[in-house]
Amino acid sequence: DIQMTQSPSSVSASVGDRVTITCRASQGISSSLAWYQQKPGKAPKLLIYSASSLQSGVPSRFSGSGSGTGFTLIISSLQPEDFATYYCQQANSFPLTFGGGTEVEIK
Amino acid sequence: EVLLSESGGGLVQPGGSLGLSCAASGFSFSTYAMTWVRQAPGKGLEWVSTIGGRSEDTHYADSVKGRFTMSRDNSKNTLYLQMNNLRVEDTAVYYCAKYSAGGSKTHDYWGQGTLVTVSS
Repeated sequence: DIQMTQSPSSVSASVGDRVTITCRASQGISSSLAWYQQKPGKAPKLLIYSASSLQSGVPSRFSGSGSGTGFTLIISSLQPEDFATYYCQQANSFPLTFGGGTEVEIK
Repeated sequence: EVLLSESGGGLVQPGGSLGLSCAASGFSFSTYAMTWVRQAPGKGLEWVSTIGGRSEDTHYADSVKGRFTMSRDNSKNTLYLQMNNLRVEDTAVYYCAKYSAGGSKTHDYWGQGTLVTVSS
């Protein structure tokens, strides 16, 4: 199974800050990676697929990069509605696996 | 508008069974693979199972293999998850999710989730 490791597990940031979240795969997965945002009590929301493609309707302040085993999600200027937990998911092979999550908290 | 709505959650004793449903609308249901993902209280996301659009293949997490059965009825636009021999560690919110149009094995629409509690 492919293990997905996210870091940090939590980050405290202020509105307007640039936030970077990383995700590492235990083996190469090409660009088969997605990023999701989840708010408390809500379902996850797809932000990025194929490592760097922005899902329709997602603000351009979100961007993704990487391939192989290392991936990054960047929020260029944090907005109040962005405080949430973010998960990466490898889409290379079954079993599909998620990272442990990164909670973005208000500083 | 794409809508996914899960139902069937509830309280069940260890060793018991429960069946979940996910009613889909707003898209060509049979065209897309579908997935169940669960989330234990206060924990992260865990993939459970995926089924092809025409049920051509089904994949399961090792943690549920042999106990859970995923199926679909394309004539009813409905997804199912039959859960047998439930364990305390199966307690979670269960989400159904649709495969993305833009990328395979990623999920662009999710239901609101249904809570399954396994406890004596």
